[in-house]
Amino acid sequence: KAGVTQTPRYLIKTRGQQVTLSCSPISGHRSVSWYQQTPGQGLQFLFEYFSETQRNKGNFPGRFSGRQFSNSRSEMNVSTLELGDSALYLCASSLHQLETQYFGPGTRLLVL
Amino acid sequence: AQSVSQHNHHVILSEAASLELGCNYSYGGTVNLFWYVQYPGQHLQLLLKYFSGDPLVKGIKGFEAEFIKSKFSFNLRKPSVQWSDTAEYFCAVNVNSGNTPLVFGKGTRLSVIA
Repeated sequence: KAGVTQTPRYLIKTRGQQVTLSCSPISGHRSVSWYQQTPGQGLQFLFEYFSETQRNKGNFPGRFSGRQFSNSRSEMNVSTLELGDSALYLCASSLHQLETQYFGPGTRLLVL
Repeated sequence: AQSVSQHNHHVILSEAASLELGCNYSYGGTVNLFWYVQYPGQHLQLLLKYFSGDPLVKGIKGFEAEFIKSKFSFNLRKPSVQWSDTAEYFCAVNVNSGNTPLVFGKGTRLSVIA
């Protein structure tokens, strides 16, 4: 089975721009979670989707949003980028909520 | 809110030394526990997990972890580390009920020197 894939792998944006990141879960997995990883804060939970519904949201501003499609693929969007949004954004999928999560390689976002 | 503490930020060991990485969590209910590893330049991989049953869990690459409920701990161990174990290790917890996300510790960087 193919693993979790994320596109793009690397992205450079400037402050004020917006960005959309994509995640394709493992086939058959219906739950997708997003995390932000930075050296200082570690892995911080952004949101979780299950069957196209947002089930959980972390403590991030409204500039961070996401959605899930009927094929379980998910996108996250960050609007009005700030320098502090530079991070590795990880997507993880699982069969159901509370099941083991499997991670993708991440999208490394650099905001200049 | 639940939290996960990994007390060791950076551990340096010689090859063949024994390893124990600490993980404590704050939630008192039924939890699922995980250890993930991130090798340099690679994505997070599951090392082992505990959902229920035998509190001593064996994972890949010779790692094991012991769930001690009374101490709210899930420490990771390996009897003899190799240079290839150099990586960052993350403990994670979620509550086994309700609608709560997976919460990660800040990670422990392990450097194994020859």
